[in-house]
Amino acid sequence: EAGVAQSPRYKIIEKRQSVAFWCNPISGHATLYWYQQILGQGPKLLIQFQNNGVVDDSQLPKDRFSAERLKGVDSTLKIQPAKLEDSAVYLCASSFTDTNTGELFFGEGSRLTVL
Amino acid sequence: DAKTTQPNSMESNEEEPVHLPCNHSTISGTDYIHWYRQLPSQGPEYVIHGLTSNVNNRMASLAIAEDRKSSTLILHRATLRDAAVYYCILRDLKGNQGGKLIFGQGTELSVKP
Repeated sequence: EAGVAQSPRYKIIEKRQSVAFWCNPISGHATLYWYQQILGQGPKLLIQFQNNGVVDDSQLPKDRFSAERLKGVDSTLKIQPAKLEDSAVYLCASSFTDTNTGELFFGEGSRLTVL
Repeated sequence: DAKTTQPNSMESNEEEPVHLPCNHSTISGTDYIHWYRQLPSQGPEYVIHGLTSNVNNRMASLAIAEDRKSSTLILHRATLRDAAVYYCILRDLKGNQGGKLIFGQGTELSVKP
């Protein structure tokens, strides 16, 4: 079974530039999550989708971050303009169900460095 | 969200059992206890979860205190591949879309040959 696919794996940009990350969840998984993991910290949930609808985006800095999942399958996370503090690994995860026992499957992440 | 407390780091010897503790004194009746681990340069992976009873699977065992205010993840024979950050997470039923998975700092486990 193919896992959660993310691209690019690495990205280096200068502050005030924009960047986009792509995620393709496991086939059939209705719930998709984006997490931000700063070095030395645990992952922080940015946004949760159920199919193509947003369930929770309370921790998403909406002045610069946006995410979409138009057809309820793959998703894109965009940062515009980037700040130095956005340097982190952006993890995408998916689960078959949104219940509290549903296992989350994570991708390998996209590492962003903002100079 | 209910919070968990874990030691920052622990050491173990290869092929010995490891007991990773987690305190969650404010746990509610609808909170499940989940454990994930994150190997270096990888995304987190699911280990085990439980509600009230002890649980076993191929990766580990989860021992839950009777009052549910603490739990212990047990790796029966640590291998070098088990070196990772282990996260204990409470995930609740509340809300119409299930519980969020909120990570804390976790315990960094190192395994010595």
